[in-house]
Amino acid sequence: QVQLVQSGAEVKKPGASVKVSCKASGYTFTDYHIHWVRQAPGQGLEWMGWINPNSGDTKYAQKFQGGVTMTRDTSISTAYMELSSLRSDDTAMYYCMRTWGYWGQGTLVTVSS
Amino acid sequence: QAVVTQEPSLTVSPGGTVTLTCGSSTGAVTSGHYPYWFQQKPGQAPRTLIYDTSTKQSWTPARFSGSLLGGKAALTLSGAQPEDEGEYYCSLLYSGARGFGGGTKLTVL
Repeated sequence: QVQLVQSGAEVKKPGASVKVSCKASGYTFTDYHIHWVRQAPGQGLEWMGWINPNSGDTKYAQKFQGGVTMTRDTSISTAYMELSSLRSDDTAMYYCMRTWGYWGQGTLVTVSS
Repeated sequence: QAVVTQEPSLTVSPGGTVTLTCGSSTGAVTSGHYPYWFQQKPGQAPRTLIYDTSTKQSWTPARFSGSLLGGKAALTLSGAQPEDEGEYYCSLLYSGARGFGGGTKLTVL
């Protein structure tokens, strides 16, 4: 069965970077895009971008261009999302999602001084 | 940047039928927007109910269905159950980028 398992919660200081991982299993990793979605406390879902694990091509939401980097390591079927220059309003649950809507469990990133 | 619109809240009686809609600021929603529908309950990750307008995931209860209706994507719940209460989000694809609606809070009462 398709599973996406994300890395654990992170606490970061403003200005730092965070890198969240999403390990895929149960399917051929390079066959489907991985999207990253975040949800601030009490707010709705916000799409950040996707990566094509086969080619490494990416597409980022305009809001995150210049601040987010999505990469992958096909040898371990893992996608990564790195967010830099963190601010307090980047505090959110970060999810990976595969095409056709398989979700990771989420990674809470807290940005606090 | 396109805006995806949803009803902020809806109420349905147990056993009743309700339709949630998903519109686009760019005009009519078509199958080319590859609409998705997600259900989220407090403290849980979202769960995909429908993708590509009307395709159900293996875990999607039969009472949920997706369609295009009046220029919008629609999620119809027929025979609402108390466990269907929650937040519902739609998502549309715009030239490779996805947008989410603000969510519909569905109450079963």
